[in-house]
Amino acid sequence: ILNVEQSPQSLHVQEGDSTNFTCSFPSSNFYALHWYRWETAKSPEALFVMTLNGDEKKKGRISATLNTKEGYSYLYIKGSQPEDSATYLCAFRSSGNTGKLIFGQGTTLQVKP
Amino acid sequence: ETGVTQTPRHLVMGMTNKKSLKCEQHLGHNAMYWYKQSAKKPLELMFVYNFKEQTENNSVPSRFSPECPNSSHLFLHLHTLQPEDSALYLCASSQVTVTNEKLFFGSGTQLSVL
Repeated sequence: ILNVEQSPQSLHVQEGDSTNFTCSFPSSNFYALHWYRWETAKSPEALFVMTLNGDEKKKGRISATLNTKEGYSYLYIKGSQPEDSATYLCAFRSSGNTGKLIFGQGTTLQVKP
Repeated sequence: ETGVTQTPRHLVMGMTNKKSLKCEQHLGHNAMYWYKQSAKKPLELMFVYNFKEQTENNSVPSRFSPECPNSSHLFLHLHTLQPEDSALYLCASSQVTVTNEKLFFGSGTQLSVL
């Protein structure tokens, strides 16, 4: 059974704080690791798709790193803003499983002005 | 038009009803998916269609019946559902031939089974 774990489950920070979350996934048969952002009443939206060990991706104030050998990825938000409030999902795809993404439960971030 | 459109946004049905959820993608993708989001659970894959052919059925009960008439449209036919089937149903699409393919999601149908 493939398991994807995210921590923490929820997080409350003040505007301007930097924060990070963790996604743990199986370290064998790795193919790709996805990060999605899901704002309330909207659709989940892809942030990053990472495929190589040591990958680092950046989009504005959000960045992510990947360690496939130990099976974890970090998502960082620098200088959080209220508009960053959302649930952040990671999803793992193993090799040979076309289209089958296994999602974690998500980290819900609330940024207070 | 948004990339992936789902209708209806909300649906309330009795256990003896038959209803259908509709999904349409305007992105030219070749794969479509149904996901289920139950309260306090991760997004759960239900079905995958690649080039209109079903390639994944994640042990979904037969009261859920998918249909993919073409690469742009996906339906989920519902009949004799149970209250525990109440959930948010999300449709997604992707281009499977692209390296680093990512999913594009619709806004979902919030289903309540009474």
